[in-house]
Amino acid sequence: GAVVSQHPSWVICKSGTSVKIECRSLDFQATTMFWYRQFPKQSLMLMATSNEGSKATYEQGVEKDKFLINHASLTLSTLTVTSAHPEDSSFYICSAPPPGDIQYFGAGTRLSVL
Amino acid sequence: AQSVTQPDIHITVSEGASLELRCNYSYGATPYLFWYVQSPGQGLQLLLKYFSGDTLVQGIKGFEAEFKRSQSSFNLRKPSVHWSDAAEYFCAVGSPNTDKLIFGTGTRLQVFP
Repeated sequence: GAVVSQHPSWVICKSGTSVKIECRSLDFQATTMFWYRQFPKQSLMLMATSNEGSKATYEQGVEKDKFLINHASLTLSTLTVTSAHPEDSSFYICSAPPPGDIQYFGAGTRLSVL
Repeated sequence: AQSVTQPDIHITVSEGASLELRCNYSYGATPYLFWYVQSPGQGLQLLLKYFSGDTLVQGIKGFEAEFKRSQSSFNLRKPSVHWSDAAEYFCAVGSPNTDKLIFGTGTRLQVFP
């Protein structure tokens, strides 16, 4: 199957700093990628749809200015958590579907904000 | 509104016992249905999917699921559970027209020797 790589797998940062998470499709091109957030022992909630070459589409209730998404190439989408606070601590997962295929998921990034 | 319900938050079974994880969905049309497994601190691995056709679908690791339209269900089954099956299991529903997925709240499976 297709491979989606996420980096870093774990990041710890101080409150008020910004953190960037990368999502790469390693063996296919993805015009669309998805970013999910997962709180401990809870389900995945779709945050936004990342569209290559255009603005991301955010789900209701997700702060666009807090969670900046950039999809600058067909193999890379980035999620930047700006001015992170402890309540932003969570597990962030990206996914991408190869053309005509289902979504493949990255291994996730655990963000801890101190 | 589209939704997925997994009624069982936590299930415990003995190794070698059979398993059934429940999933009910609410969707306006014929959905695409998925089961994923997640080990602690890991991403999601697809176990199986249903798009159309035979309502009994076979997946990896000996799992199967049956789509029952009349019950709006897509329950996951395995005849004999192995200790390595302990994980979190998510049911998800998707649309043929978009790639968006809606996930259930998950069922945590514990396996005792």
